Formats: sequence, structure tokens, C-alpha cells
Amino acid sequence: GAGVSQTPSNKVTEKGKYVELRCDPISGHTALYWYRQSLGQGPEFLIYFQGTGAADDSGLPNDRFFAVRPEGSVSTLKIQRTERGDSAVYLCASSSGGLPGELFFGEGSRLTVL
Amino acid sequence: AQTVTQSQPEMSVQEAETVTLSCTYDTSESDYYLFWYKQPPSRQMILVIRQEAYKQQNATENRFSVNFQKAAKSFSLKISDSQLGDAAMYFCAREKSSGNTPLVFGKGTRLSVIA
Repeated sequence: GAGVSQTPSNKVTEKGKYVELRCDPISGHTALYWYRQSLGQGPEFLIYFQGTGAADDSGLPNDRFFAVRPEGSVSTLKIQRTERGDSAVYLCASSSGGLPGELFFGEGSRLTVL
Repeated sequence: AQTVTQSQPEMSVQEAETVTLSCTYDTSESDYYLFWYKQPPSRQMILVIRQEAYKQQNATENRFSVNFQKAAKSFSLKISDSQLGDAAMYFCAREKSSGNTPLVFGKGTRLSVIA
């Protein structure tokens, strides 16, 4: 498809497990963003890639969270030793860097940690 | 800390009527962008409208318009001729800092449209 694709759409895991969430941005988009949205809240910024490098990772809550984008396209958000508080919808967005704020979002990955 | 505040957790409007969603923000910069995003039940966020602080004229996109008050740091969204498809969460946002950077979002307003 032509939009931002996120997999899995839903993930249920147990406390302490490792989780990977994948984002496939719109082809040609150089900027990629990860956000976390808890129930009843707005999206909270986690990390932003420009090409392969993390331009801003100030939103990552702790060292259990890590993200990569090795070839400047697909990105993976990795969460180690998951905690119940990590339960949320993880949103990915991409941008061509043209018009400010014009982010194209995926439908998110809902993570539930039991 | 840069904040975006939406003081209305929920709003409702009759179909074909007009509704205004409120937003205030915090910034020390003189030029910046502000945005309204819509999030329907599918969870996919969609950009509704964009306003550059440098421009005094309020942005308009079809039935959607903004009331931008720079001195008051207020940025409200007006939806005219409301339709059932407008029912969604609406998020106000601004750039984290000038220069096409990540967005900072408010907590959102849930809009219901009554037939």
C-alpha cells in the first residue's frame, strides 16, 4: 500500500518479555517518528529519525526502549523487559520533510503487557 | 516545558451546526507552526489544518478554520456544517522547536456529532 504500515496491529505479551514493533514508512520519506499514546492521552514523542540516524531520541523513557532504522526506510522499535506501564498504542509517522508538520501516520500497534 | 493544552475533554455538536474546539500553547519563539490533527476510531491520525504563526490570516480548509490569537497563545478550531464523519478525537499540536521537528500534542478533545 501507499501509506505507513505498522505491524503487528496488536501484541499481547507478558511482563519481562522482549517486544519488537515494526514501521514501514511511505516510500521516499526521509523522516520517521515514533510516538506512544496511552489511553485518554495525546501522542507522546519518543524518537525521530532523519535517514538512518536518530536526530532526536529525547522522548525515549529509559534504556529499555531502543529504535533502529538501518537502511533509512523500515524502523523497528524494541522494548526490553516489558512492564505493565508500557501498555499503549505505539504510533509511527513519516514525512518527506516538505511542509512542516505534515506527518503521515500509521494505524499504530497496540501493545498490552500482562 | 513546552505544553499544549486542550481544556475540553469532550464536546458534542448537532449535525449541520458549528462547533469550536479550544487550544492554548506555550512557546518562547516568534515563528512556529501550529496544527490540528484528527484521529478517528481507526487510530490513524490525519492532518486537518496548519497555521504559521508568522501569518496573521487565519487558515481555512473547506469547513475547517482556525482562530489564531498569537498574543494570547490561543489556537481554536472551528468546524462548520458538522457531519457525522467529523466525529473523532481532535489533537492540537505544535512543533517541539522551529524547523520541522517532532510535534508536541495536547491531550485531545473527543467530538461527538449528533444526528
